[in-house]
Amino acid sequence: QKEVEQDPGPLSVPEGAIVSLNCTYSNSAFQYFMWYRQYSRKGPELLMYTYSSGNKEDGRFTAQVDKSSKYISLFIRDSQPSDSATYLCAMSSGSRLTFGEGTQLTVNP
Amino acid sequence: DAGITQSPRHKVTETGTPVTLRCHQTENHRYMYWYRQDPGHGLRLIHYSYGVKDTDKGEVSDGYSVSRSKTEDFLLTLESATSSQTSVYFCAISEFKDPNTIYFGEGSWLTVV
Repeated sequence: QKEVEQDPGPLSVPEGAIVSLNCTYSNSAFQYFMWYRQYSRKGPELLMYTYSSGNKEDGRFTAQVDKSSKYISLFIRDSQPSDSATYLCAMSSGSRLTFGEGTQLTVNP
Repeated sequence: DAGITQSPRHKVTETGTPVTLRCHQTENHRYMYWYRQDPGHGLRLIHYSYGVKDTDKGEVSDGYSVSRSKTEDFLLTLESATSSQTSVYFCAISEFKDPNTIYFGEGSWLTVV
């Protein structure tokens, strides 16, 4: 069983929709939680980083961590076509990053 | 963009041939990583380096070797390429042993036929 589970999608939404992306994990030692965005044929780029349970907001993006349920989410408000990409969750208990498979998102104009 | 250059960006090679991928950074970061990305598996760590001549294995290191003779360069070698090593390879760098400061290169697409 994978340590980090992420639905690969694809997910297709209309412009302006609220998008919810999720990951579950099994390793309770994970302390750091990240979301990366990866455009087609590009390298992943760090989008959000959280350490503890709760919410962290950055513009249209909100990262949510629920350690008790071993569940993390990324919400995108007022989604734009430029948000079309693959979103990868990642987690760490120290220096080793474990990535989810990634969810492919398409925002349609 | 983080100063990471991967070469070659695309390569097709035959089974059994050696292949070397190069990662060059201009950030003077201590930590460098090689990942592979495959459908159904996501990103998986192959090898990493925590300094010149200091390297260690990741979770999928079989069939790969690495070398780091200079801070700025990290080489990944497939001694005898196999079709299972067809993948996209990403180099990444980090200034600290800190998971939130890892930056990826643009990727190298390798096809083994």
